Amino acid sequence: DSGVTQTPKHLITATGQRVTLRCSPRSGDLSVYWYQQSLDQGLQFLIQYYNGEERAKGNILERFSAQQFPDLHSELNLSSLELGDSALYFCASSVDGTAPEKLFFGSGTQLSVL
Amino acid sequence: AQTVTQSQPEMSVQEAETVTLSCTYDTSESDYYLFWYKQPPSRQMILVIRQEAYKQQNATENRFSVNFQKAAKSFSLKISDSQLGDAAMYFCAYRTLDNYGQNFVFGPGTRLSVLP
Repeated sequence: DSGVTQTPKHLITATGQRVTLRCSPRSGDLSVYWYQQSLDQGLQFLIQYYNGEERAKGNILERFSAQQFPDLHSELNLSSLELGDSALYFCASSVDGTAPEKLFFGSGTQLSVL
Repeated sequence: AQTVTQSQPEMSVQEAETVTLSCTYDTSESDYYLFWYKQPPSRQMILVIRQEAYKQQNATENRFSVNFQKAAKSFSLKISDSQLGDAAMYFCAYRTLDNYGQNFVFGPGTRLSVLP
């Protein structure tokens, strides 16, 4: 168990809908990262938050948004969903102190857009 | 921008044998970190091993070891005495010393099958 909690584990929805994925980082970790993994593909970095603030942005679509709350949990909002948005969405966390730390991954949310 | 390449989309190994997964990366940085992550069928991402670029000694974790060739920008993973539970996707990853997410880059992965 990595200590990173993602809910829900599975999500099935229809095109055009909006969903929210939730992530609780490991206790003490200040950074949350969101990744998208499409079928048989590697991990694509979407966005990173550090202590409530957006720190880095990757290949995140404008239809997607995220935030990190004061208790450090994070939510990824996906709207106007398309079939191609079907993927496994990972959240990861790290301490991000003075030395770079490894990422601890949650078990992912499998999103299926029908 | 940094890139990570894994030239073997799929590999297979006989149980109890040794297999080496390849990884190369491109960077202009002198200090950085390299990782191997394992993704079993459960799809959980699990850290296998980590290497600091400033360390010449290759990292080792039980049956897993790396061959880090900094000049060649190569970071291969050797799995000794392969077990059925080693079957998974393996991702090589690179990270700069800063804490910006876009600088933590993953390769496309190598799918490892272990044959009984």
